[in-house]
Amino acid sequence: GAGVSQSPSNKVTEKGKDVELRCDPISGHTALYWYRQSLGQGLEFLIYFQGNSAPDKSGLPSDRFSAERTGGSVSTLTIQRTQQEDSAVYLCASSAGPGQGAYEQYFGPGTRLTVT
Amino acid sequence: QKEVEQDPGPLSVPEGAIVSLNCTYSNSAFQYFMWYRQYSRKGPELLMYTYSSGNKEDGRFTAQVDKSSKYISLFIRDSQPSDSATYLCAMSSFILTGGGNKLTFGTGTQLKVEL
Repeated sequence: GAGVSQSPSNKVTEKGKDVELRCDPISGHTALYWYRQSLGQGLEFLIYFQGNSAPDKSGLPSDRFSAERTGGSVSTLTIQRTQQEDSAVYLCASSAGPGQGAYEQYFGPGTRLTVT
Repeated sequence: QKEVEQDPGPLSVPEGAIVSLNCTYSNSAFQYFMWYRQYSRKGPELLMYTYSSGNKEDGRFTAQVDKSSKYISLFIRDSQPSDSATYLCAMSSFILTGGGNKLTFGTGTQLKVEL
């Protein structure tokens, strides 16, 4: 079946502009995660959704970052007033949610964000 | 000190060699231990996950966990050029509210298998 998809695959933006990154999880997966992968920091957790709720936002680096999920499916990560240090690959993962399979997170291809 | 330490490599081996990749960790709350493979400009792909100490085998891959030493390993037998990728260890900790699992990753080991 279809895996996790993300769009756009690449995004170049000017410093100070807002960007929106989209994630389509695997159908039926209730849990959705955003991670960020950067050269200096490796792969870091940003936020976790169960359904449309976000019980854990502890990884969001500043209040310029926000995310939402609608219909228990698609999620959007928004970065306002982008800074150069926001340049990274933003990865989305989904899993089956609490219970069996909860530990298996499947990643999308990522969105490569470059802030100039 | 990072919660998960992984040698970044690069590691270069001849085709057919046995590869050993390792991570150490400091957080005793980690419950599940995963290995992901990531090809250049692709998302991480889940290879294996284990829960308890011991070995788990899947084809040419064996994952080993030693909770007493806080040490995990991935062995690749009969390595192939197609195994050339970055291998990331990851460890899950339970998110109390909502039942999720936060992954903490090692920095990844870059592996090259040469003909």
